[in-house]
Parts: sequence; C-alpha cells; structure tokens
Amino acid sequence: GQNIDQPTEMTATEGAIVQINCTYQTSGFNGLFWYQQHAGEAPTFLSYNVLDGLEEKGRFSSFLSRSKGYSYLLLKELQMKDSASYLCAVMEPGAGSYQLTFGKGTKLSVIP
Amino acid sequence: DGGITQSPKYLFRKEGQNVTLSCEQNLNHDAMYWYRQDPGQGLRLIYYSQIVNDFQKGDIAEGYSVSREKKESFPLTVTSAQKNPTAFYLCASSPWTGRTEAFFGQGTRLTVV
Repeated sequence: GQNIDQPTEMTATEGAIVQINCTYQTSGFNGLFWYQQHAGEAPTFLSYNVLDGLEEKGRFSSFLSRSKGYSYLLLKELQMKDSASYLCAVMEPGAGSYQLTFGKGTKLSVIP
Repeated sequence: DGGITQSPKYLFRKEGQNVTLSCEQNLNHDAMYWYRQDPGQGLRLIYYSQIVNDFQKGDIAEGYSVSREKKESFPLTVTSAQKNPTAFYLCASSPWTGRTEAFFGQGTRLTVV
C-alpha cells in the first residue's frame, strides 16, 4: 500500500517562488508524478521523476530522492493562473500490474 | 485526435438505482483507471485494469463494478450498494510500462437525488 503526504494548502505571492513537498512510503516504486488540477477540471500532467535529481521544465521543476521517499515541485515566477491544486502521485508495481496512487493534493493560492 | 472521453459530464441518479459511467480511449493504452474525488480531496482509486478481461480493486472498490471487454473501453457501474455515490469521477489511461504519465478524461459529476 501507499502513504502519500502533502501540505493541504499554501499561499504565495505573484512573481515569487514556491516549493510544494511530497513524502511517500511504499513497498515498491516505479516513478513519481506531479499533476495540476484547476477546480472542477481533470488533472493535467506536469512532471515525472523515476531517478534521483532535478527535472526542469520551464517555470516548473521537480526533485526526487528515492532513499528519503521525498519529492518537491518548484514553481518559479508565480502567475495568478498557477492557483490550483497540485497532486503528487506514485506508481507502484504489483503482480503484473501498476497502481497509480495520489496524495490528497496541495491547494495553492497565488495572491497579488 | 487521440484522447480519453468520459460521458456524460453530469449525471443525476435516484437513490437505489445503478448507473454506468462511460470511459473510452483511442490512445492504444493498456492500463486504465477509475478514481473518485470528493470536494477538497485528492483522487482515490476505485478500480484499475492492465489488460483486457482483467482488473484489480483499488482502495475503495466497494459498491462499484467494472468490465474490460475491449482495450478501448472501461465502464464503471455505481451500484445501489454504494452508500455515498455523489462525487466527481475521473477515468485515466496510461501505457503498459507505467513510466509515462496517465492521461485523464474530463470527468463525470454524479449527483444522487
């Protein structure tokens, strides 16, 4: 089974940088995903990490430490449209299958 | 265009009735998933399937059933045994390897009246 923890809510100022943390406990690991979800909409993919280190994609970066069961999503130059929930998800291999499990999400509010 | 389609977008059901939510994908993905999301909450896994004619229970399978007769389709039935079915339901698909992202449909918002 999985236990995935994220802060419930965060607030940051437009133009600033924010880091959203995710910790996980798992018996197996096949990668960690970050998704963005605006209210009432489907999640959209942001990043994928399977090896330790930092993956950068424009204003968004994601970091993984497998030994610590820890990841973070870094958002730079925050914009008002970045106000959304950010979901951490872990892919766990099973008996011939993969299970994708999500944390409860972090609601980010960007203020002027 | 390739994608994953859920229908209907909004669904109303009377208490005690079964209802089936549709999920179709033309991405040639092997894996398909059903999640439930309650207000202000994360996604909870109901069922998932890696191949045709095979599926596994997720964390909250009670009161739900699925089938996977075709690779493209993974319908979810919300039965009368589900005591609190009002929620936002999301279907997703991904390639077999699990090393790429899951793509989501636009969701079905089910309300029991």
